[in-house]
Amino acid sequence: AQKVTQAQTEISVVEKEDVTLDCVYETRDTTYYLFWYKQPPSGELVFLIRRNSFDEQNEISGRYSWNFQKSTSSFNFTITASQVVDSAVYFCALNRDDKIIFGKGTRLHILP
Amino acid sequence: DAGVTQSPTHLIKTRGQQVTLRCSPKSGHDTVSWYQQALGQGPQFIFQYYEEEERQRGNFPDRFSGHQFPNYSSELNVNALLLGDSALYLCASSFPGSYEQYFGPGTRLTVT
Repeated sequence: AQKVTQAQTEISVVEKEDVTLDCVYETRDTTYYLFWYKQPPSGELVFLIRRNSFDEQNEISGRYSWNFQKSTSSFNFTITASQVVDSAVYFCALNRDDKIIFGKGTRLHILP
Repeated sequence: DAGVTQSPTHLIKTRGQQVTLRCSPKSGHDTVSWYQQALGQGPQFIFQYYEEEERQRGNFPDRFSGHQFPNYSSELNVNALLLGDSALYLCASSFPGSYEQYFGPGTRLTVT
């Protein structure tokens, strides 16, 4: 079965703190893609990153970084020096056969 | 370059009624996928259209149907509405060979 688990339902941190959002996935496929999306209050899903199953290199984009570990089926997302504008719901997702399977999301509150 | 557009933005219907939601894909994209996002949940895949045919379908009843037009735009129809159909309906478009889907702003449907 294909499944994405985001165990953290809600997280609150004070501005400028670092925060890590956890994601664990299940799949029997050898080729798959993992994603992170941000959903601000407006509702639109904003694409953050895509990672394929053959590329385990970690990636950094500004204050965002992602840690992909195939051995533990995890694809965690870290925001460094968080800002109030980072407040949103974040979804981890798995693409299988061109169908995206989403986790339930983590609601992140950045407190000023 | 316009992104994915959806109409209407909001909709209120009564139980038992029928509703049609519309989506225009991003320029150059020929594949349209529909997702339902209930409050507090991650989006759930409904179905995907390519070359005017339903290519794959998620676990949704036949009350949910769709259509794709020659210009690649798409409609989602829901018959015999239930209170549980209240959700944000997201449309996403992609082009062949890409695992990345671009999401529209969504249509928020309320069934009373």
